[in-house]
Amino acid sequence: NAGVMQNPRHLVRRRGQEARLRCSPMKGHSHVYWYRQLPEEGLKFMVYLQKENIIDESGMPKERFSAEFPKEGPSILRIQQVVRGDSAAYFCASSPTGDSPLHFGNGTRLTVT
Amino acid sequence: QQQVKQSPQSLIVQKGGISIINCAYENTAFDYFPWYQQFPGKGPALLIAIRPDVSEKKEGRFTISFNKSAKQFSLHIMDSQPGDSATYFCAASMTNTGNQFYFGTGTSLTVIP
Repeated sequence: NAGVMQNPRHLVRRRGQEARLRCSPMKGHSHVYWYRQLPEEGLKFMVYLQKENIIDESGMPKERFSAEFPKEGPSILRIQQVVRGDSAAYFCASSPTGDSPLHFGNGTRLTVT
Repeated sequence: QQQVKQSPQSLIVQKGGISIINCAYENTAFDYFPWYQQFPGKGPALLIAIRPDVSEKKEGRFTISFNKSAKQFSLHIMDSQPGDSATYFCAASMTNTGNQFYFGTGTSLTVIP
């Protein structure tokens, strides 16, 4: 009974490159959320998706960031032309319905050099 | 604007003591208040949660106290153990409007043997 799976666990990118973060939700969960965590800070909401739909992207920067959750396959958080300020831990969470607790993955730690 | 304010930022407690972490919110539309526990290198894990129709919920050594009129809720860890040393996050959500969770900034708890 696998939990939320995120990969890679660690990702190093040079400034200007693209970062792709993947998240496979728990079995039976069709709601996916992406959060960003900086050291000594809480979790900042980025985007909420259901299968093939973006429900709320109010926390995601308008430029360079995008997210998808296709009918088949994992959810992807994509960051284009990364900058040093994008360095953070990115957590994915899933839930079976829109009013259920969130189950988090172990995160992807992005370092931009 | 921080939707959920959490204090203290860090807490040191002797083994066997009581750890108390406090959170406050402004939006009266919030109707679900979970607490998450996070160990280094891991994702947050749901610890205990409460809805505003009750004033207290207890699960083992963990208790949530909820004060609806004051818009405050707190986590009490009784008989604190070194294994409880972790970062704790409170959160709040409106389950009927997209289930976006707002997190506090976290409390780093250290339990001294």
